[in-house]
Amino acid sequence: EPEVTQTPSHQVTQMGQEVILRCVPISNHLYFYWYRQILGQKVEFLVSFYNNEISEKSEIFDDQFSVERPDGSNFTLKIRSTKLEDSAMYFCASRVTEYNSPLHFGNGTRLTVT
Amino acid sequence: AQSVTQLGSHVSVSEGALVLLRCNYSSSVPPYLFWYVQYPNQGLQLLLKYTTGATLVKGINGFEAEFKKSETSFHLTKPSAHMSDAAEYFCAVSGGNQGGKLIFGQGTELSVKP
Repeated sequence: EPEVTQTPSHQVTQMGQEVILRCVPISNHLYFYWYRQILGQKVEFLVSFYNNEISEKSEIFDDQFSVERPDGSNFTLKIRSTKLEDSAMYFCASRVTEYNSPLHFGNGTRLTVT
Repeated sequence: AQSVTQLGSHVSVSEGALVLLRCNYSSSVPPYLFWYVQYPNQGLQLLLKYTTGATLVKGINGFEAEFKKSETSFHLTKPSAHMSDAAEYFCAVSGGNQGGKLIFGQGTELSVKP
């Protein structure tokens, strides 16, 4: 069964550094998402992406964050200048065109900012 | 706006006992409802979904959930718990003008005692 893949599984970075989290969504999916989960807390929506542009973003997704689909397969989340509070698990998800289809999630990237 | 409330952050049952995880939602439009399971250090896996039609939906691993519009609930049940069911369970809602993103509840950690 096709799946969403995320790399790396764990990223450690120093405060103020830039990080790029990578995702390969399922090939026939057209809608892409990033979520994050701070340890022990709920899964929070960051951003949705469709047709090469952001369709919606949350309050968390400030100017430090950006997303890109540089080619036909990768979907990246960049954090320009990381803060301690960015430490979390970041999940990529994708879905097909149907509005009510479920999101398929990757296994996540654990980001640790020191 | 849509929201999800999961009653009980921790639920503990004995192996073989009934599992009941509670989820209530708030939505001004007909909701699409989902249950996801998260095993340690893994992503979110879809258990089941309700979109339209039959209000009792069956999912993987013997789980089922019933959509009750009058109670705005979507509780998850399993007749007999297994040790392998120990995980974090998330209820989520989407639909209407939410742009297809899922809004998650805070999660319920299920423990299964031998």
